[in-house]
Amino acid sequence: NAGVTQTPKFRILKIGQSMTLQCTQDMNHNYMYWYRQDPGMGLKLIYYSVGAGITDKGEVPNGYNVSRSTTEDFPLRLELAAPSQTSVYFCASSYSIGVKREGNIGTQYFGPGTRLLVL
Amino acid sequence: QKEVEQNSGPLSVPEGAIASLNCTYSDRGSQSFFWYRQYSGKSPELIMFIYSNGDKEDGRFTAQLNKASQYVSLLIRDSQPSDSATYLCAPVVFGNQFYFGTGTSLTVIP
Repeated sequence: NAGVTQTPKFRILKIGQSMTLQCTQDMNHNYMYWYRQDPGMGLKLIYYSVGAGITDKGEVPNGYNVSRSTTEDFPLRLELAAPSQTSVYFCASSYSIGVKREGNIGTQYFGPGTRLLVL
Repeated sequence: QKEVEQNSGPLSVPEGAIASLNCTYSDRGSQSFFWYRQYSGKSPELIMFIYSNGDKEDGRFTAQLNKASQYVSLLIRDSQPSDSATYLCAPVVFGNQFYFGTGTSLTVIP
């Protein structure tokens, strides 16, 4: 299993440009997430999905859009890039949420991240 | 606003010592807790999870949970330089696991 893969690894954007960050998982996980992590800070949830065709906003969704047409893919779209979107973006997936009687089903598996610089 | 507070550190301990990492949370709906480790420039990876009050041990790691005090901690015994990383606390609140603490940076000095 490749786990969670993200492309590109690094990108420089000019203000106002758009781009799509790609995320693919091969673990047949229902849940997928996009986070951003600013230097020295924790992870902030941008969007999440509980299954194909279902997405919802997280804590910091402004300036981003997502879609989930398949179980495997969860691309993140940046429209009109701004310097405030300079960050490291992590995609993650999990089978479900939290801990149930049958065990831990909530572990999130993270991709390697995409470093984005908006100038 | 659900808040997860961690001491940002940096926390420095000598090799072989016990490192103690703390996390407090504001939402009493928090049901279980995950601890992730993040090496510099890398993505987070799961260390442990805990959902019952008390202690849970896994090798050199012990998670402690006190729901009444809204407090969870991670102890690392016999700390090694390879434990130097940032440790993130993540509670599960009403079935949602979306919030991470800002993390505590740990440095183990050889």
